[in-house]
Amino acid sequence: DIQMTQSPSSVSASVGDRVTITCRASQDINTWLVWYQQKPGKAPNLLIYTASNLQSGVPSRFSGSGSGTDFTLTISSLQPEDFATYYCQQTASFPRTFGQGTKVEIK
Amino acid sequence: EVQLVESGGGLVQPGGSLRVSCAASGFSLSDYEVNWVRQAPGRGLEWLSYISSSGSHMFYADSVRGRFTISRDNAKKSVYLQMNSLRAEDTAVYYCARRLLQVVGVFDLWGRGTLVTVSS
Repeated sequence: DIQMTQSPSSVSASVGDRVTITCRASQDINTWLVWYQQKPGKAPNLLIYTASNLQSGVPSRFSGSGSGTDFTLTISSLQPEDFATYYCQQTASFPRTFGQGTKVEIK
Repeated sequence: EVQLVESGGGLVQPGGSLRVSCAASGFSLSDYEVNWVRQAPGRGLEWLSYISSSGSHMFYADSVRGRFTISRDNAKKSVYLQMNSLRAEDTAVYYCARRLLQVVGVFDLWGRGTLVTVSS
């Protein structure tokens, strides 16, 4: 199975800050990497797929990059509605696996 | 409205069985592959199972293989997860998720989830 490791586990930031979250795969997954946002009590919401493609309706302050084993999610200017937990997921093979999540908290 | 709605969760004793359902509305479920993902209280996301659009192919996580069975009834616009031999560690919110048509493995529509509690 492909293991996904996110860092940091949590980050404290202020509105307007630039936030970067990293995700590392235990083996080469090309660009088969997805990012989701989840708010408390809600289902996850798709942000980015194939590492860098923004899902329709997602604000352009979100961006993704990377290939192979190392990936990043960047929020260019944090907004109040962005405080949430973010998960990466590999789609290269079964079983699909998620990172452990990164909680973005208010500083 | 395009949505997935899970149902069938509840309290079940260890060793018991439960079937959760995922009903689609606002789109043609028969065109889509569907997955089940769960989230234990205060924990992260865990992928459980996949079923192809026709129902001919299924995959499972090691943690549920042999205990859980995914199935679908496209005429009823529904996907199911039959859960047997339930354990305390199966306690979680269970989500169904539709696969984005253009890209393998990407979940573009999720239900709100149904809570399964395994406890005596």
